Amino acid sequence: GAVVSQHPSWVICKSGTSVKIECRSLDFQATTMFWYRQFPKQSLMLMATSNEGSKATYEQGVEKDKFLINHASLTLSTLTVTSAHPEDSSFYICSAVQGTDSPLHFGNGTRLTVT
Amino acid sequence: QKEVEQNSGPLSVPEGAIASLNCTYSDRGSQSFFWYRQYSGKSPELIMFIYSNGDKEDGRFTAQLNKASQYVSLLIRDSQPSDSATYLCAVNGGNTGFQKLVFGTGTRLLVSP
Repeated sequence: GAVVSQHPSWVICKSGTSVKIECRSLDFQATTMFWYRQFPKQSLMLMATSNEGSKATYEQGVEKDKFLINHASLTLSTLTVTSAHPEDSSFYICSAVQGTDSPLHFGNGTRLTVT
Repeated sequence: QKEVEQNSGPLSVPEGAIASLNCTYSDRGSQSFFWYRQYSGKSPELIMFIYSNGDKEDGRFTAQLNKASQYVSLLIRDSQPSDSATYLCAVNGGNTGFQKLVFGTGTRLLVSP
């Protein structure tokens, strides 16, 4: 149980374009999803917390207008990187939690390369 | 001081040995502690979590928590080459909520055949 699916697994896009990443909880309802970013040889950095039906809460230093998060249902959250630049190239990972006492389960991640 | 600190390694152990991974954290309000394994290019995979002081065992893995000293460790018995990965320690953010985790930078483990 507790399967989190993330799509796409990798994407290459040109500078200035937008990219949407989907995160789905397949066998449970996730009231909260988290979006992380990981640069090479660094740890996971939390970007934002996404709650179903409400606006996402962004961490300090993360531009909410650049990283658009939508959590329209209990099983789907999306992250859109708008006007992507090469410095946005990273490994983006979503995670979901089933309940307040449950540990996080991660999606397989999306490797974004902006050329 | 970093919120969650780990030795980056690599920690090299021979096959069959015990691997000991350590982690310290700064927020005394932290309540939940997690160990994740991450293979290169992959997302983290939950190994164990622990809430209470003491030891928690699951198969070849044992998590140890000492809140007074603010450290948590992971022991891997009978280490296998397939255990070679980066191990991430994660701590909940204390006052910021149960699931808002802060990750260490990870310890790279190498198990040689």
